Amino acid sequence: GEEVAQTPKHLVRGEGQKAKLYCAPIKGHSYVFWYQQVLKNEFKFLISFQNENVFDETGMPKERFSAKCLPNSPCSLEIQATKLEDSAVYFCASSHRDRGRDEQFFGPGTRLTVL
Amino acid sequence: DQQVKQNSPSLSVQEGRISILNCDYTNSMFDYFLWYKKYPAEGPTFLISISSIKDKNEDGRFTVFLNKSAKHLSLHIVPSQPGDSAVYFCAATQGGSEKLVFGKGTKLTVNP
Repeated sequence: GEEVAQTPKHLVRGEGQKAKLYCAPIKGHSYVFWYQQVLKNEFKFLISFQNENVFDETGMPKERFSAKCLPNSPCSLEIQATKLEDSAVYFCASSHRDRGRDEQFFGPGTRLTVL
Repeated sequence: DQQVKQNSPSLSVQEGRISILNCDYTNSMFDYFLWYKKYPAEGPTFLISISSIKDKNEDGRFTVFLNKSAKHLSLHIVPSQPGDSAVYFCAATQGGSEKLVFGKGTKLTVNP
């Protein structure tokens, strides 16, 4: 598609439950990025993929967070045993990159609320 | 330690006037800078970018200026329109990583 799609729009989980978020990048884009926005204006990089390979995972909390980008499937970000501090808006972005430096196109985000 | 700083949380300007949004960075390895605009409940939208080998890039009403020696960039919007009211984020990246490092944003309000 021509836009980055993210589902669901909103997700509510009790503390300790699992949360799974999905992202469909723009067709033809080979890079996918996940960012977490806490407190409205702080964006934190989590992980990036080049096609189905992890490109940079320096921002990922290793214990409970995992992510995948498999061929012919939406990318996913999974949080096992959610905590209150995981409440945030999670944005996915994609870029072409192979054309040189390229901007990232963002999806509308998934708002995760952990109760 | 914040590597990209937007020191003005908000800015208010009159329609038709110039809006100047500022951004400072500390990491000299950053080589590509971007400005994004964000409306509530939406994802950031790319506005304009500049490579570290340039000092100016213009696209319609938007111009970005980069002063490498001062580690400072600014976004100029001329003329400002009410539809420009949004939060503007400055972001930076370095070759090899591509992850965006964001500032905390400046909320621009353009008054009719």
